[in-house]
Amino acid sequence: EAGVAQSPRYKIIEKRQSVAFWCNPISGHATLYWYQQILGQGPKLLIQFQNNGVVDDSQLPKDRFSAERLKGVDSTLKIQPAKLEDSAVYLCASSRTGANVLTFGAGSRLTVL
Amino acid sequence: GESVGLHLPTLSVQEGDNSIINCAYSNSASDYFIWYKQESGKGPQFIIDIRSNMDKRQGQRVTVLLNKTVKHLSLQIAATQPGDSAVYFCAENNHFNKFYFGSGTKLNVKP
Repeated sequence: EAGVAQSPRYKIIEKRQSVAFWCNPISGHATLYWYQQILGQGPKLLIQFQNNGVVDDSQLPKDRFSAERLKGVDSTLKIQPAKLEDSAVYLCASSRTGANVLTFGAGSRLTVL
Repeated sequence: GESVGLHLPTLSVQEGDNSIINCAYSNSASDYFIWYKQESGKGPQFIIDIRSNMDKRQGQRVTVLLNKTVKHLSLQIAATQPGDSAVYFCAENNHFNKFYFGSGTKLNVKP
């Protein structure tokens, strides 16, 4: 089966600019996650979707981050305006409902200057 | 969130030796514990998991041990190879399908 697709792989922006990341999960995976991974740290959950509904967004900085999964398949994560501390890899992962295994994409590396 | 931590940030082993990577967790209610491997420039990749009612599980060259008494998890890699060089994360999964990751251990395999 095809893996989790993410784009762009790399993005460099200046602070206060905006950026959007796209994720296409594995076909049939109802649960989709966005994680933020700062260099040298483990992935930190930002938001979890079940189909097109949000299950958990308690760790999402809602003043600048937003995410949607309108049709329950693809998802977009947006940051506006970006801060220096947003420099990180943004990982998208998906899983079947109730499954214990996450499948990750390769990530989108964001550098904020 | 949950607290999942690792004892050592970097582990160096000789090729062919066995590697042991340790992890401490704090939530005794977690259902599953999972080990992921992350190579440079890639997303984490599933290695092996263990259910909370088990204390040992074996895979191909890997074994995970779970000690619920001291809330400790370990990953053993037999006959470590250069391709095993990566960062290893433990994660815990509660019954709400939420996954919490530790900070990772970097494994360096010396030829």
